[in-house]
Amino acid sequence: GESVGLHLPTLSVQEGDNSIINCAYSNSASDYFIWYKQESGKGPQFIIDIRSNMDKRQGQRVTVLLNKTVKHLSLQIAATQPGDSAVYFCAENPRMDSSYKLIFGSGTRLLVRP
Amino acid sequence: ETGVTQSPTHLIKTRGQQVTLRCSSQSGHNTVSWYQQALGQGPQFIFQYYREEENGRGNFPPRFSGLQFPNYSSELNVNALELDDSALYLCASSGGGARPGELFFGEGSRLTVL
Repeated sequence: GESVGLHLPTLSVQEGDNSIINCAYSNSASDYFIWYKQESGKGPQFIIDIRSNMDKRQGQRVTVLLNKTVKHLSLQIAATQPGDSAVYFCAENPRMDSSYKLIFGSGTRLLVRP
Repeated sequence: ETGVTQSPTHLIKTRGQQVTLRCSSQSGHNTVSWYQQALGQGPQFIFQYYREEENGRGNFPPRFSGLQFPNYSSELNVNALELDDSALYLCASSGGGARPGELFFGEGSRLTVL
């Protein structure tokens, strides 16, 4: 992923509002994309994934949208809660095979205001 | 809790020294991946082991090496440490019917090189 040093892009939202976190990916050959959440002091945690033959996938309170034309991925979180505060990473897998090499983006910090 | 445990949690080394980091994978997982996460950045893929053999490597020099044992636990070894090796080293296990991009991360080993 691209280096952004110590200053992650930050999204601040009011508790209860919806959040949209965006990500631009680099490899047009990538066919599988994943969103991870990383809380302070912990390892990344899988949220949701999407294959390149889809443009939308929904989970519990989360939706991932994929626009392959502009190589853009977004994560929508409905009714954002304080527990959603974390750094969110998009990741791409150039090959969806047995090698689970993931290329992570630089991350976005989500702050939820009470 | 992911069931992936890493040790040690923190360690300090000096330039030129060698370090070994350890990882126990989640029960039922036969694949272990190692990632390096510098402060404020996304994780970067180092390598992956599947059934005791290296199964993909990222852009890291040969002084980064690894092992996977018959019980699927793993080690990451770094020789001739450099200041830029200071980072959080994350181990992730996968397999056992999980989704392809669903890696189960440990909480990491924080390495500081002085």
